[in-house]
Amino acid sequence: SQQGEEDPQALSIQEGENATMNCSYKTSINNLQWYRQNSGRGLVHLILIRSNEREKHSGRLRVTLDTSKKSSSLLITASRAADTASYFCARSQGAQKLVFGQGTRLTINP
Amino acid sequence: EAGVAQSPRYKIIEKRQSVAFWCNPISGHATLYWYQQILGQGPKLLIQFQNNGVVDDSQLPKDRFSAERLKGVDSTLKIQPAKLEDSAVYLCASSFHINSYNEQFFGPGTRLTVL
Repeated sequence: SQQGEEDPQALSIQEGENATMNCSYKTSINNLQWYRQNSGRGLVHLILIRSNEREKHSGRLRVTLDTSKKSSSLLITASRAADTASYFCARSQGAQKLVFGQGTRLTINP
Repeated sequence: EAGVAQSPRYKIIEKRQSVAFWCNPISGHATLYWYQQILGQGPKLLIQFQNNGVVDDSQLPKDRFSAERLKGVDSTLKIQPAKLEDSAVYLCASSFHINSYNEQFFGPGTRLTVL
């Protein structure tokens, strides 16, 4: 499959806890992006990390990238009910194309 | 600013029928993408336009799928004839520039059910 592997496929946590999602890939990348998809809606861009970056923050989001292991992780701190969604990593191949993983379904329980 | 618009939002057809989807990208965005998202999977790129030219259609099943972007703005994606396995959400996205450092903005999608 051209798509990356995301782990876990589903995650259920209590509100206020931290959620960590992982993404692995097989080919070299220019950058890796994370998107969120709420039920029945389109995808929303969350954060982009370039291949020469190791960590990036945006609000309650923290993304790490380890190009030697070909993996990335997304950490959501102090989760909220509104964070319930599917999260996808997407790696850029060349200068033009994004290849999405299969996603992690995150459920935040009140 | 207005987002990416798509219509219809839902479509139910029988196999072997034809169907068309419409997308209006964000004003000023030169690059337009059509993705197919099967239930439980991530989006898969079908075709990518830069203005009105095709950049990548390597994963478009050209025997039944076609797409055009006349005048470099709106785009239509057509399936003729549809198969059961075409049941999916069809997402349109746009970005300011073809450079992948630009984020893509997605529309709400069209959910297609083929019976």
